[in-house]
Amino acid sequence: DAKTTQPTSMDCAEGRAANLPCNHSTISGNEYVYWYRQIHSQGPQYIIHGLKNNETNEMASLIITEDRKSSTLILPHATLRDTAVYYCIVGTIMKTSYDKVIFGPGTSLSVIP
Amino acid sequence: AAGVIQSPRHLIKEKRETATLKCYPIPRHDTVYWYQQGPGQDPQFLISFYEKMQSDKGSIPDRFSAQQFSDYHSELNMSSLELGDSALYFCASSFPGRYGYTFGSGTRLTVV
Repeated sequence: DAKTTQPTSMDCAEGRAANLPCNHSTISGNEYVYWYRQIHSQGPQYIIHGLKNNETNEMASLIITEDRKSSTLILPHATLRDTAVYYCIVGTIMKTSYDKVIFGPGTSLSVIP
Repeated sequence: AAGVIQSPRHLIKEKRETATLKCYPIPRHDTVYWYQQGPGQDPQFLISFYEKMQSDKGSIPDRFSAQQFSDYHSELNMSSLELGDSALYFCASSFPGRYGYTFGSGTRLTVV
């Protein structure tokens, strides 16, 4: 069974914030929420991760609900270069080589001029 | 900053031929992962290596094998190629305890 559920596709106007939701209702206490994206035919790119606190880096912000059953990735000012498939992934801290990223159906974000 | 290097970028092979894909991880990264991405599909985990030993295995066909060498680079060997093996093959590397993997640009394999 999939650990996360994301919308199949979303549109966002250029310059506006893109808010990508993810449901992970079965997340366990030691599991993190990771976000990756894949621009067409390029290698996937790590964006951000979080456990329970909201996180922000130079690429995006991650908002995790208090019950940790859902989260939202926010791209504050979307550009055309942000058009990609965004993957929300739940996993452990990935401290060992046995922790691997399993990609499931992500959200295809189209940033529109 | 150094990235994950994959070679070749493109490869065309005929059915039943063999192919070797190479991956050079980021310096000091000791874990390598291989993924296969067919047309219109999500990347699928194939196999991983830590300190030159196989650490995990996914949906990798028996016709495929891989290894990690003493300099930490890895090679994915594919034999008896089939049309369905045509895909993008990505390699990623990580340093245990560090968050997030770094992926290479991929090798596009076309089997004709």
